[in-house]
Amino acid sequence: NAGVTQTPKFQVLKTGQSMTLQCAQDMNHNSMYWYRQDPGMGLRLIYYSASEGTTDKGEVPNGYNVSRLNKREFSLRLESAAPSQTSVYFCASSSRGLGNHEQYFGPGTRLTVT
Amino acid sequence: AQSVTQLGSHVSVSEGALVLLRCNYSSSVPPYLFWYVQYPNQGLQLLLKYTSAATLVKGINGFEAEFKKSETSFHLTKPSAHMSDAAEYFCAVSGDTGGFKTIFGAGTRLFVKA
Repeated sequence: NAGVTQTPKFQVLKTGQSMTLQCAQDMNHNSMYWYRQDPGMGLRLIYYSASEGTTDKGEVPNGYNVSRLNKREFSLRLESAAPSQTSVYFCASSSRGLGNHEQYFGPGTRLTVT
Repeated sequence: AQSVTQLGSHVSVSEGALVLLRCNYSSSVPPYLFWYVQYPNQGLQLLLKYTSAATLVKGINGFEAEFKKSETSFHLTKPSAHMSDAAEYFCAVSGDTGGFKTIFGAGTRLFVKA
């Protein structure tokens, strides 16, 4: 099993450009998440999908959109990138959304917006 | 609402010394608590979790943590540090309220000196 995979690994964007971060999991998990990691701030939840067909905002959703394409895939879109969105982005999945289940993380996407 | 506070953004120990990483939580419902580890340029992986069974939880790589409700703490320990333990450690809390969110602490970077 590959677990959680993310593409791309690195990306540099100019302000105003758009892009989509891709995430896929092969563990048959129901729930998927997008986080951003910034120094000294831990992980902050951007959006999550409790199950196929549903998405909800997390702590820092502004400037982002998501699509739960099917049970395996959950993409994150930046419509008009800003320097404040420079960060490391992690996708995660869990077998159920309820809090007692651990999350499995992808390797991350390092995004720089100039 | 739930929150996590990790005391100390950086901790330095000598190889063979005790590792103690501190975590305090706030939760209005019985919490589920987690410790994750992140090695450089990788995603997070689960070290251990507390889900209301035994208060002393053993994890991978010789780590353990003790849930102390009276102190609202979930400190991570390892009797003897190894060079390979150098990483960033995140404490996290969630609650089985039907919500799907896990709250992460800001992280503690562990340095191990030879």
